[in-house]
Amino acid sequence: AQSVAQPEDQVNVAEGNPLTVKCTYSVSGNPYLFWYVQYPNRGLQFLLKYITGDNLVKGSYGFEAEFNKSQTSFHLKKPSALVSDSALYFCAVRDWGDSNYQLIWGAGTKLIIKP
Amino acid sequence: GAVVSQHPSWVICKSGTSVKIECRSLDFQATTMFWYRQFPKQSLMLMATSNEGSKATYEQGVEKDKFLINHASLTLSTLTVTSAHPEDSSFYICSATGGPGNQPQHFGDGTRLSIL
Repeated sequence: AQSVAQPEDQVNVAEGNPLTVKCTYSVSGNPYLFWYVQYPNRGLQFLLKYITGDNLVKGSYGFEAEFNKSQTSFHLKKPSALVSDSALYFCAVRDWGDSNYQLIWGAGTKLIIKP
Repeated sequence: GAVVSQHPSWVICKSGTSVKIECRSLDFQATTMFWYRQFPKQSLMLMATSNEGSKATYEQGVEKDKFLINHASLTLSTLTVTSAHPEDSSFYICSATGGPGNQPQHFGDGTRLSIL
């Protein structure tokens, strides 16, 4: 069965420090991987995706993510955190072989950036 | 690009009322739209998937007669919560995609529904 795990409910980082939000996945075939961010009382905003090609994917707001096939991971990273990065982050996956467009969602990780 | 508009953003109404939520793709054709429900401090729960011109596919445990979904055009899907009760209070979010499968879903800003 397909699944996504975000092992940390919350991540605390000091402003200016690098941040990492972890995501591991399980699919039967090849994955499409996505990261989204959600601010309070808002919908989700697309940050970046991995389809194929380079394992390091760059996205919006200075975020990037590294696809690691052997570890089945797709961790979200940013070299220098901003207070405004504080939000809820979701990782999602879809198997290439699926005929529908549904995504499997992680539980979300709350990112808190302290000044 | 890829803007999805969801209205209303906040609804408060009495128990027994039916509430309609609209989801529009403003600058692309949404062949597939999704309706999610999100409880506080929880992840997204997919309620149903709708394709333009066909009946929605509901997830297990979601009442079709309670949550009516219509996807009449490539830019509009509606979710009607019929005879809403306090337990239907939640944050409802729609998303849309024009496909193919490697494209992201684009989300509306959500609707906070409070049933008194």
